[in-house]
Order: sequence, then structure tokens, then C-alpha cells
Amino acid sequence: ETGVTQTPRHLVMGMTNKKSLKCEQHLGHNAMYWYKQSAKKPLELMFVYSLEERVENNSVPSRFSPECPNSSHLFLHLHTLQPEDSALYLCASSQGGQPQHFGDGTRLSIL
Amino acid sequence: QKEVEQDPGPLSVPEGAIVSLNCTYSNSAFQYFMWYRQYSRKGPELLMYTYSSGNKEDGRFTAQVDKSSKYISLFIRDSQPSDSATYLCAISGSARQLTFGSGTQLTVLP
Repeated sequence: ETGVTQTPRHLVMGMTNKKSLKCEQHLGHNAMYWYKQSAKKPLELMFVYSLEERVENNSVPSRFSPECPNSSHLFLHLHTLQPEDSALYLCASSQGGQPQHFGDGTRLSIL
Repeated sequence: QKEVEQDPGPLSVPEGAIVSLNCTYSNSAFQYFMWYRQYSRKGPELLMYTYSSGNKEDGRFTAQVDKSSKYISLFIRDSQPSDSATYLCAISGSARQLTFGSGTQLTVLP
């Protein structure tokens, strides 16, 4: 496999469920990112992992919890989400100062 | 004022037309300028990347940066129906802190 792979592609969950999104990059990059993309809004950076250091957007609610076990894998753990959290969640990776490469996202729907 | 402003469209043009997509930004410290293309149900795909004022050309695509006006453009020549997508500008002071425009939806009619 090449590039950035995200699973699952679609996820429907209730507000009380716990689920995780997975991202894997096969590009040898040293930084990984989570973004939220809502309709008609700019991509919103949620978290950055760079050389195992985490940088986060302070406006991201604590019901979103990232995990980066190594430079190739990134998870986003979801817990007691709200309907407004329904969106496309995109993972990206980059190396040094080079542009970010994106996966195809997980379409999340909260019932 | 948003850091990056992009006309959301939608923009509809006939096949073969020249398309001009634009973004303005407010932070003069921004020095990386990117254009991404996003097809429906896909992630953004990098189209063009530059960090200096002037033009950069790649096939039918030309990216233009005017730092003095804080204005960037993407031109598509001889547009094709396969160019129908949402185009996102992304600008930053560092490659790890991108600020995106809201995207312009383009449709090229056969």
C-alpha cells in the first residue's frame, strides 16, 4: 500500500458509543495530523504529532483523544460525541518542511 | 477578519475555458502557499506548492503569488470535465500549521 490510509471510511455511532479512527502512512514521514472538515467550512486542524511530540488545537473538546504509537500510525479515539461532531475526519502526514499528504478520510455520523 | 478568504463559488465554466481561483490572506508572515484539489468522497490532493512570489507552472496549472497584495491565484488552462472538484488554498508560516480557505467548488461542463 502507498500513501495515507484511513479506516473505516464510514462510521455511524450513537452519542454514548466509544470508537476509534485509524490512520497509517507508508511515506516515511515524521509528522502526522488530524483535521476536521465540515460542510462549507475550512479544514480545522485538531492535532499534530511531530517526532512523538503532540501539538493540539486548544478548542478541540476532550471527547476527542489522539494516540500516536509510532511515526506510521495515528488514532483518534472518540467518546460521547455530539451531533455537531458529524463531519469528515482527515489524516495527513508530512516530512520536514514539505507539504502535507492526506488520506481519503472517515465520514462520521453521530445519531 | 478570517486569516484566509476564498470565494466558495460554486463556479461553473464550459470545457476549454480558463479558470481563475483566488485567495487572500491577512498574515504577512505566511510564506508557504499551496493549492489542493478535492474530489467528492476523497481527501485533498496536492496540486501546487510554492514559497515565493511570482508564477509557478505545471502543465495546465499555474500558481501565482503576490505577497505585496497578500493574494494568491490558481489558473487552469483548457479546463476539462475531470477538473470538476473543490479547490482549497492553504497558506502558512510553517509547513505544520496550515490555514485553509473554505474551498471553491468548480464544475466544468462538457
